[in-house]
Amino acid sequence: DAGVTQSPTHLIKTRGQHVTLRCSPISGHKSVSWYQQVLGQGPQFIFQYYEKEERGRGNFPDRFSARQFPNYSSELNVNALLLGDSALYLCASSFRGLNSGNTIYFGEGSWLTVV
Amino acid sequence: GDSVTQMEGPVTLSEEAFLTINCTYTATGYPSLFWYVQYPGEGLQLLLKATKADDKGSNKGFEATYRKETTSFHLEKGSVQVSDSAVYFCALNTGNQFYFGTGTSLTVIP
Repeated sequence: DAGVTQSPTHLIKTRGQHVTLRCSPISGHKSVSWYQQVLGQGPQFIFQYYEKEERGRGNFPDRFSARQFPNYSSELNVNALLLGDSALYLCASSFRGLNSGNTIYFGEGSWLTVV
Repeated sequence: GDSVTQMEGPVTLSEEAFLTINCTYTATGYPSLFWYVQYPGEGLQLLLKATKADDKGSNKGFEATYRKETTSFHLEKGSVQVSDSAVYFCALNTGNQFYFGTGTSLTVIP
């Protein structure tokens, strides 16, 4: 069975540009969450979507937005990119939402470099 | 707010040594606790978890016990192998969020 898939795997953007990152969850999983992992740090929670609704949001500026589609895939959008947005962006899926100890399964991530 | 504090690394051990990686947490309510591992060149994967106080999670010889009285979830293994070399992340799930520690890099030398 396919795991969580993310695209693109690597990309380079210029300051001020916009980026869209995509995620396909494990088949049957209805929840997707997004994380930012800066080199040498742990993943930082950005968003959670369950059944196409936003259910949780971390401490990130409004430049970050996301959505979940009817097939449960998801997009993370970042506007007005800053150098500090350079990081590995991870998507994780779970069968249910982020509560009651549900395990989340991670994709390989999208490496974003902002120059 | 909710958070996880994890032992600083890197940690270097000889094969068959005993491993402890400390993890403490701050949370309101009743969180679930996890250890995730990232092997070189791979993505994060679940190692073990515990969803309530006094639960013990175990997998691949690793163990961790959910201690509410000390707000801890320390990872232990009695005899590490070279193949255990990886970065280990302690994580907390509460409400609709996950909180991760900064990660502890483990290198096991033959």
